[in-house]
Amino acid sequence: GAGVSQSPSNKVTEKGKDVELRCDPISGHTALYWYRQSLGQGLEFLIYFQGNSAPDKSGLPSDRFSAERTGGSVSTLTIQRTQQEDSAVYLCASSLGVYLQLNTEAFFGQGTRLTVV
Amino acid sequence: AQSVTQLDSHVSVSEGTPVLLRCNYSSSYSPSLFWYVQHPNKGLQLLLKYTSAATLVKGINGFEAEFKKSETSFHLTKPSAHMSDAAEYFCVVSDPGGSGTYKYIFGTGTRLKVLA
Repeated sequence: GAGVSQSPSNKVTEKGKDVELRCDPISGHTALYWYRQSLGQGLEFLIYFQGNSAPDKSGLPSDRFSAERTGGSVSTLTIQRTQQEDSAVYLCASSLGVYLQLNTEAFFGQGTRLTVV
Repeated sequence: AQSVTQLDSHVSVSEGTPVLLRCNYSSSYSPSLFWYVQHPNKGLQLLLKYTSAATLVKGINGFEAEFKKSETSFHLTKPSAHMSDAAEYFCVVSDPGGSGTYKYIFGTGTRLKVLA
């Protein structure tokens, strides 16, 4: 597609349930990022994938959070046993991500608004 | 480790007056710097980026930013504010950090309000 696509756009789940959020990056982009934006807050880095390298998971807030990227394209962010504090907008971004090209901009999806009730 | 500080969480200006949104960064390497804008209920949009080719960077919608290495700053400016500029603005730094990977580090954002 022309841009980064995220699904679903909105998700309401009950506390304790697992959720999966999907991100389709721009074709050809090797770098993929997940961020979380809580109400009125800035963007919190969660995880970064670059090609076949081991992902940078340093931003994941707990072991209930995990992410995969299959075939170097689509990514799924999974939150297990959701808590109310997980409610936020989850943003995915992709970029060309070529190591030597440090100035490649990131293109963002519209986000998934997660509400845990 | 790289970081970015946006000095003002809220800025209010009158329509037609200049805009200044301040950003300072910390980086061990030559950083890449960006400004993104987020309008209410909209996605993030790139305003401009610093590519090391020129210290004064021009972006969309009349915005500019100047990279000042000596001051570790990358402030965003616009000569004359328009009502449509009301939004949240994020300063972003990205550099390799020596680990072979790099990620975009976002500031906490500055909410710009434009008064009629």
